[in-house]
Amino acid sequence: DAKTTQPTSMDCAEGRAANLPCNHSTISGNEYVYWYRQIHSQGPQYIIHGLKNNETNEMASLIITEDRKSSTLILPHATLRDTAVYYCIVRALNSNSGYALNFGKGTSLLVTP
Amino acid sequence: DTGVSQDPRHKITKRGQNVTFRCDPISEHNRLYWYRQTLGQGPEFLTYFQNEAQLEKSRLLSDRFSAERPKGSFSTLEIQRTEQGDSAMYLCASSIRLTGELFFGEGSRLTVL
Repeated sequence: DAKTTQPTSMDCAEGRAANLPCNHSTISGNEYVYWYRQIHSQGPQYIIHGLKNNETNEMASLIITEDRKSSTLILPHATLRDTAVYYCIVRALNSNSGYALNFGKGTSLLVTP
Repeated sequence: DTGVSQDPRHKITKRGQNVTFRCDPISEHNRLYWYRQTLGQGPEFLTYFQNEAQLEKSRLLSDRFSAERPKGSFSTLEIQRTEQGDSAMYLCASSIRLTGELFFGEGSRLTVL
């Protein structure tokens, strides 16, 4: 699976949009981009995933560049409850690539009042 | 609560003792995963079951570790002759599709003294 690079930490004011970047320059054509987050002392929580089109759900939006070498997770109106570590993961959807998700260290997002 | 359940939530043991963790996945999920997470790191994949078959094991899963899913429902993770380096959060996750959308439990925290 392609490797991802994320900033170690970010801050965001409550009510503002949080834009979390992820670089995955070695991504291949059959690999998807996934985002999970982990609130302190809890298990990771799935947020969203996509292949090449932008995606939106009730939690967030995922913007993938045209060359697919980077993406941005957008939390449109961040709340204090969004303070968490956010993981960007790239993987293919077939068993030949194994079943593991490689979480890395993620980005620690702090939402401030 | 119909989420992934893990037991015990916390375990303190002395070096050399054996410990066992249990995971009850979401009932209709046939895929089950174990991950380990140490302080400041993202979750690391240990092993994967599809129904009762263990289809993938990480190199992290040394011969002191054994996982089972005897009837394709709940799973156990046993660590024999625990070492201080085994101190970590052990996370279980389940899914119904090979889409990467995993549902995680709250984890079992192990402290080896």
